[in-house]
Amino acid sequence: GAGVSQSPSNKVTEKGKDVELRCDPISGHTALYWYRQSLGQGLEFLIYFQGNSAPDKSGLPSDRFSAERTGGSVSTLTIQRTQQEDSAVYLCASSSGTVVSPLHFGNGTRLTVT
Amino acid sequence: GQQLNQSPQSMFIQEGEDVSMNCTSSSIFNTWLWYKQDPGEGPVLLIALYKAGELTSNGRLTAQFGITRKDSFLNISASIPSDVGIYFCAGSQGAQKLVFGQGTRLTINP
Repeated sequence: GAGVSQSPSNKVTEKGKDVELRCDPISGHTALYWYRQSLGQGLEFLIYFQGNSAPDKSGLPSDRFSAERTGGSVSTLTIQRTQQEDSAVYLCASSSGTVVSPLHFGNGTRLTVT
Repeated sequence: GQQLNQSPQSMFIQEGEDVSMNCTSSSIFNTWLWYKQDPGEGPVLLIALYKAGELTSNGRLTAQFGITRKDSFLNISASIPSDVGIYFCAGSQGAQKLVFGQGTRLTINP
């Protein structure tokens, strides 16, 4: 597609359930990022994938959060045993992977944990 | 960790007014970016700055990369209703991980 695609656009889940969020980056982009945006807040870095290198997981808030990127393209962010404080918009972005290449964002998945 | 301090947090202006917002950090950044986010969408890149002292314009938007590499500002001239949204600064220290400011929410009264 022309841009970064995320699904679902909205997800409501009960506390304690697991959720999976999907990101399809721009074709050919080697770098993929996940950010979290809480209501009225800035973007909090979660994880970064670059090619075949080990991902930078330094932003993951707890071991309930994990992400993988299969075949260097699609990525899935998984949150286990969701908590109410996990409610936020989860944004995925991709870039061509060079040092100065800008990020292109998807429209995000709005996660609500009840 | 790394942090960008963005101000103001919100602005309420009249249509036609000029807008100025800035971002500062205690750390040096090699790249500064400015993004705009509309409701329900992801941030969209407005301007990218790659050299200290660089001044770049994009239509009514002008941004500068501070000479100390610890700050950047964004100006919007002659604001129009579609300028409404949240503006984010972001910085990179050479690695690909971008650090974002907390955002400036711009509201325009017609």
